[in-house]
Amino acid sequence: DTGVSQNPRHKITKRGQNVTFRCDPISEHNRLYWYRQTLGQGPEFLTYFQNEAQLEKSRLLSDRFSAERPKGSFSTLEIQRTEQGDSAMYLCASSDLQGYSGNTIYFGEGSWLTVV
Amino acid sequence: AQKITQTQPGMFVQEKEAVTLDCTYDTSDQSYGLFWYKQPSSGEMIFLIYQGSYDEQNATEGRYSLNFQKARKSANLVISASQLGDSAMYFCAMRRPSGGYNKLIFGAGTRLAVHP
Repeated sequence: DTGVSQNPRHKITKRGQNVTFRCDPISEHNRLYWYRQTLGQGPEFLTYFQNEAQLEKSRLLSDRFSAERPKGSFSTLEIQRTEQGDSAMYLCASSDLQGYSGNTIYFGEGSWLTVV
Repeated sequence: AQKITQTQPGMFVQEKEAVTLDCTYDTSDQSYGLFWYKQPSSGEMIFLIYQGSYDEQNATEGRYSLNFQKARKSANLVISASQLGDSAMYFCAMRRPSGGYNKLIFGAGTRLAVHP
């Protein structure tokens, strides 16, 4: 499978615990994005990487959230001291440098987080 | 501020009939892109179709077409000959022209149910 891969697909954690999600983009895609989707809503932009550089972070990304993309390949999204409001699906997407082309952004299947 | 509005929370259609999903957008930018994505229950966001703001012709991709009315700021998705597998959530999204990368703003989505 050469698509965007995310794991774990599902995570249930107790409030206050830390969780980490991993995203493996399509190989050779320079751009990587994280979005968050809560029930009944469309995805909301969290952050963007071009290679290993994190170029934009949404205000939604509080200081409990940190994202990395070492070596410009896979990315991790860590949530520290989880809260019930963090329960959502976290979507990763990747695209190549042809950013203006409509069909070059690909999403993964998402990682569902439930905080109890 | 950029905004996407999808006014239909749910739609029903008979198999083999056509259906139109509404999308209106708000932006002051001259250059932007409009997308439609399908999200089945598995969670993955599947790209369907793209329309650039300067494209003079409506985009088409197989059974999907985008009815782009720039003056009215609408970008409705038309699905012809609906199939049972089309049952899913459908999201309209707009790309902001910020640096060329695919930072998308999504609407709240429309749930489509195709009946046999």
